[in-house]
Amino acid sequence: GAGVSQSPSNKVTEKGKDVELRCDPISGHTALYWYRQSLGQGLEFLIYFQGNSAPDKSGLPSDRFSAERTGGSVSTLTIQRTQQEDSAVYLCASTEGLAGVSEQFFGPGTRLTVL
Amino acid sequence: QKEVEQDPGPLSVPEGAIVSLNCTYSNSAFQYFMWYRQYSRKGPELLMYTYSSGNKEDGRFTAQVDKSSKYISLFIRDSQPSDSATYICEMITIGVGSNYKLTFGKGTLLTVNP
Repeated sequence: GAGVSQSPSNKVTEKGKDVELRCDPISGHTALYWYRQSLGQGLEFLIYFQGNSAPDKSGLPSDRFSAERTGGSVSTLTIQRTQQEDSAVYLCASTEGLAGVSEQFFGPGTRLTVL
Repeated sequence: QKEVEQDPGPLSVPEGAIVSLNCTYSNSAFQYFMWYRQYSRKGPELLMYTYSSGNKEDGRFTAQVDKSSKYISLFIRDSQPSDSATYICEMITIGVGSNYKLTFGKGTLLTVNP
């Protein structure tokens, strides 16, 4: 069946521009995570959505980062006024049940390059 | 001290070798331990998970947890070139109100040479 999809796969932008990254989770999965993966830094948790609960935004690095999840399905991660240090691969994952102990299914990621 | 430490490598081994990948941690509240494999330009995929001390085996892979030493390992027997990837450990705590905290290691880059 279809896995988690993300778009675009690659995004090159200029410093100061806004970008939107999209995640389509596996249908029926209640939890959705966003991570950032920088070279040599490993996976960095950004934000997580669980059902209709308020999202856990504790990992967002600054107020330039925001995310929403519409209708409990598709999610968009927005980075405003991008900086060069925002360059990274942004990964989305979804889980079927309770977050944390259910298997996370990751998308292929969006590789963001800020010039 | 970081909560989870993982040697980033790179680790290079000949085909058929036994590979040992390790993570140490400082938070005794971690309850679940997972290993992910990530191929280049792909998202991570879950390999194994466990929640108790001891060994768990799945084919050529064995996950080992030693809670007393705060140390987990992933062993790969008869390693193959197709095992070449980055291996990432993940540890999970579950707090009050089912508040999950996920912590990842930085990943170890493994190359298995034919």
